[in-house]
Amino acid sequence: KAGVTQTPRYLIKTRGQQVTLSCSPISGHRSVSWYQQTPGQGLQFLFEYFSETQRNKGNFPGRFSGRQFSNSRSEMNVSTLELGDSALYLCASRVANTEAFFGQGTRLTVV
Amino acid sequence: GESVGLHLPTLSVQEGDNSIINCAYSNSASDYFIWYKQESGKGPQFIIDIRSNMDKRQGQRVTVLLNKTVKHLSLQIAATQPGDSAVYFCAENSGGGADGLTFGKGTHLIIQP
Repeated sequence: KAGVTQTPRYLIKTRGQQVTLSCSPISGHRSVSWYQQTPGQGLQFLFEYFSETQRNKGNFPGRFSGRQFSNSRSEMNVSTLELGDSALYLCASRVANTEAFFGQGTRLTVV
Repeated sequence: GESVGLHLPTLSVQEGDNSIINCAYSNSASDYFIWYKQESGKGPQFIIDIRSNMDKRQGQRVTVLLNKTVKHLSLQIAATQPGDSAVYFCAENSGGGADGLTFGKGTHLIIQP
């Protein structure tokens, strides 16, 4: 079956802009979580959605938000982009309390 | 094989040797642990997992050991191959399935011919 699909793969934005990233989970997976990966901070948890509800949120400012649709697809949004938001954004889907399957990620560069 | 007592950002081993990658986790309430492999330009890929009611689990060429007393996790890779070259992360789940995974810093495994 198809894996986790993230779009776009690469994105370049200017400081102050906003961006929306998309994630399609593995069919049947209702939990979708988002992570930010940077060389300095490593992999950090952003938030998790299950059945269109945010269940948990990491320690990120309110500029980072997300949502999940009824078909389990998820989007995350970052507003008022800063240079430090440049990172690889990873989406993962899972069945409850099992391994998370990751997409290839979206590489965001803020200039 | 080469082992490390503490987390190292880089581990270099000879092809064919065994590799041991260590990880210290933070939350004594964590009940589920996963090892991921991440190759350049790709997302993390699941290798093996273990639940807190076990102390050892084996897969194909990989073994995970869990020591809850000292909150330590290790990944052993037997007969290391060039394709094993990647960054390896441990991750813990603090329970209930609702929380996100907390990842360790990662160890870059380099295979020397």
